[in-house]
Amino acid sequence: TQLLEQSPQFLSIQEGENLTVYCNSSSVFSSLQWYRQEPGEGPVLLVTVVTGGEVKKLKRLTFQFGDARKDSSLHITAAQPGDTGLYLCAATHLYGQNFVFGPGTRLSVLP
Amino acid sequence: EAGVAQSPRYKIIEKRQSVAFWCNPISGHATLYWYQQILGQGPKLLIQFQNNGVVDDSQLPKDRFSAERLKGVDSTLKIQPAKLEDSAVYLCASSLGVNTEAFFGQGTRLTVV
Repeated sequence: TQLLEQSPQFLSIQEGENLTVYCNSSSVFSSLQWYRQEPGEGPVLLVTVVTGGEVKKLKRLTFQFGDARKDSSLHITAAQPGDTGLYLCAATHLYGQNFVFGPGTRLSVLP
Repeated sequence: EAGVAQSPRYKIIEKRQSVAFWCNPISGHATLYWYQQILGQGPKLLIQFQNNGVVDDSQLPKDRFSAERLKGVDSTLKIQPAKLEDSAVYLCASSLGVNTEAFFGQGTRLTVV
């Protein structure tokens, strides 16, 4: 089973600040997804990135896929308390079939 | 479009008892996943089905866990006998196929006492 790493593990910031969280692996991904999970709920898909170097924006969230397709980042601008949650990356590696998750970054945005 | 349905939502059992979880994926989704998520951690893949065949069950504790997907639609995950460390949320997800977006159910929260 291939491993996905995420950093930081925990992040606590004030409302209005910017932040970036990271997801990486030593293997190449065929595609990568970012999910957000709130307590008591299943993960909800935010975005899928497929092409190396790809950048996608979703309101205040910017997702980037590394050129080599081994890493990805999620940047949040002007964080709000509603952004609080567990941010998970998940991927299928280039020659794999199983879909695995990273350990997640737990974000807390304080008002 | 209906989402992934899971039941029960919550379950409390004593150690050494048996328990079963049920999942109904999104209609037409060939791939079905069961994940175990321990509090504070990311989901860990237990088993992945493609239609009614197993793609990956390398992290399924086969001495006590079993899963089946008869007819390639609904799936059940069973634990027999349960241990205290099995306390977790069990998530079911489905996707159209491998390498496509997965959609999750709300999960079953299992507490083993």
